[in-house]
Amino acid sequence: SQTIHQWPATLVQPVGSPLSLECTVEGTSNPNLYWYRQAAGRGLQLLFYSVGIGQISSEVPQNLSASRPQDRQFILSSKKLLLSDSGFYLCAWSGQYYGYTFGSGTRLTVV
Amino acid sequence: SQQGEEDPQALSIQEGENATMNCSYKTSINNLQWYRQNSGRGLVHLILIRSNEREKHSGRLRVTLDTSKKSSSLLITASRAADTASYFCAFLGNQGGKLIFGQGTELSVKP
Repeated sequence: SQTIHQWPATLVQPVGSPLSLECTVEGTSNPNLYWYRQAAGRGLQLLFYSVGIGQISSEVPQNLSASRPQDRQFILSSKKLLLSDSGFYLCAWSGQYYGYTFGSGTRLTVV
Repeated sequence: SQQGEEDPQALSIQEGENATMNCSYKTSINNLQWYRQNSGRGLVHLILIRSNEREKHSGRLRVTLDTSKKSSSLLITASRAADTASYFCAFLGNQGGKLIFGQGTELSVKP
């Protein structure tokens, strides 16, 4: 069966520090992968999506970047975190005909 | 904005009552999906309805879709305290595999 792993679950980072959040998927090949951010426990904002290795589309200009070094690995990064980067980050994958499967999320607090 | 809009933003009911949440969108869609999120957790896919479908059932869940009004509703019948969560609609446009989320409805079911 397909599973998605996202870590860490929580992270507290100082302003100006780098960030690396990792997401991996098992049990499927060539998935579409997504990074969403959820602020204040409400709606999700799509940050990045990827349809294949090295293929990244950015939805909103921001202080973050994403990379897909392997088929089932999706990484969210920042060189220097801002206070406004705080939020709940969710990774997800999708096949062609089914709903999205989300990871358990990372709660990032920038202090 | 492509985001979906949901109402109500918050809903509080007694156990055993039915809960209805509504979602509206602005673009043409391939399908519309509903997700559930328990506090601080990842999202769980509940049900998907395709653009050529009008109604779908899954257990105590009933979803309707009216593409002429660009709206959908989620009905939870005979609610339970364990149904307390946030519920999000999300739609997949015809142009590609990006799921766009509404702002969510926070449902509280009191025992």
